[in-house]
Amino acid sequence: ETGVTQSPTHLIKTRGQQVTLRCSSQSGHNTVSWYQQALGQGPQFIFQYYREEENGRGNFPPRFSGLQFPNYSSELNVNALELDDSALYLCASSTAKQGGSYNSPLHFGNGTRLTVT
Amino acid sequence: SQQGEEDPQALSIQEGENATMNCSYKTSINNLQWYRQNSGRGLVHLILIRSNEREKHSGRLRVTLDTSKKSSSLLITASRAADTASYFCALSGNTPLVFGKGTRLSVIA
Repeated sequence: ETGVTQSPTHLIKTRGQQVTLRCSSQSGHNTVSWYQQALGQGPQFIFQYYREEENGRGNFPPRFSGLQFPNYSSELNVNALELDDSALYLCASSTAKQGGSYNSPLHFGNGTRLTVT
Repeated sequence: SQQGEEDPQALSIQEGENATMNCSYKTSINNLQWYRQNSGRGLVHLILIRSNEREKHSGRLRVTLDTSKKSSSLLITASRAADTASYFCALSGNTPLVFGKGTRLSVIA
């Protein structure tokens, strides 16, 4: 069973640039969620995708966008980077029977550490 | 959105002692989940307890849930240095899983 993998592991960008983070879901999982975790804080929900459709969104601006592909891998795109976007970005996959679900355990990758200078 | 609040924020114990951390919340839930995070790594799911369950065990972990008090506790028995991590509760209902700030556990050998 392949776990959740994220790439890259570390990334340094300049304010105003754009970034794409990638995630491969655990085999058999059809739902992917993205979280942002600032230093010393808990993970903050960005959005969730179920069968390629956005299924829920947290309090993040539109410059945070995502995609889920037919193989259930996913991307998180952030435009016009700001210094406060510096954080650990976590991808988590899970299974849902229909319509997406928030009740299943999440399987997390080890994250991408993004630094914006 | 619903968010659990973990208590204490930090806990330091000797190896072999038991560690207890608590989670309080304000809304109704379908289930409550506990996760562990080692420094700089992803979260690892530990245990899920449903709203109609009162207690659940997994190895050295014991979780209780009191829906009338809207609280849960995670007990780690016979702690080890490898248990050093941050522990988060997450509430599950009709909204996405929301995590609190966690409890930072340090187990000293």
